[in-house]
Amino acid sequence: EVQVVESGGGLVKPGGSLGLSCAASGFTFSSYSMNWVRQAPGEGLEWVSSISSSSSYIYYADSVKGRFTISRDNAKNSLYLQMNSLRAEDTAVYYCARGTNGKFDYWGQGTLVTVSS
Amino acid sequence: DVVMTQSPLSLSVTPGQPASISCKSSQSLLHSDGKTYLYWYLQKPGQSPQLLIYEVFSRFSGVPDRFSGSGSGTDFTLKISRVEAEDVGVYYCMQATHLPRTFGQGTKLEIK
Repeated sequence: EVQVVESGGGLVKPGGSLGLSCAASGFTFSSYSMNWVRQAPGEGLEWVSSISSSSSYIYYADSVKGRFTISRDNAKNSLYLQMNSLRAEDTAVYYCARGTNGKFDYWGQGTLVTVSS
Repeated sequence: DVVMTQSPLSLSVTPGQPASISCKSSQSLLHSDGKTYLYWYLQKPGQSPQLLIYEVFSRFSGVPDRFSGSGSGTDFTLKISRVEAEDVGVYYCMQATHLPRTFGQGTKLEIK
């Protein structure tokens, strides 16, 4: 069974940093691109970042470019999102999603990041 | 960025009746490879989004055949032939033809 499980969310002050992880299982992690999508409280979905299977291609939304860094460790079947210089508007549930030919086919349950003083 | 505009933003449907959601993009979603990377997701209350339809009209594994997708270019539609109680939630279209990936605002489906 394909599973992706996010962790690392929490409360952080504006300007602070936080690292998210996504543990994958049930599929050959190294063969798939991976993605982060976020959802602010009561709002819609916003794509954050994507990374190809071998980390050759990395993309970011303009809203996080220069502050967030996506990475992966194929040996550990894990995806990461390092978030720096956090702002109140980064408050959201962050979802990890597997990518297959463009589609986000399996999503985790999400991890909540709250940026507040 | 490609703007995805959904309508209606909410709809209330009697079980057994059909429902239709429109999604219009500000640019053509036809990729140079000949494919159209338009997807539909459903986020049920308290859950993470789940993939329903990919590349306009292909149903994802396990998705009931009462769900169907159609369209081309900039105009797309998700149809539910007979709404069931379990179909409640927010429906999102998403495009992956262009960067950044963008979602529609969401359409909330309620049962009458």
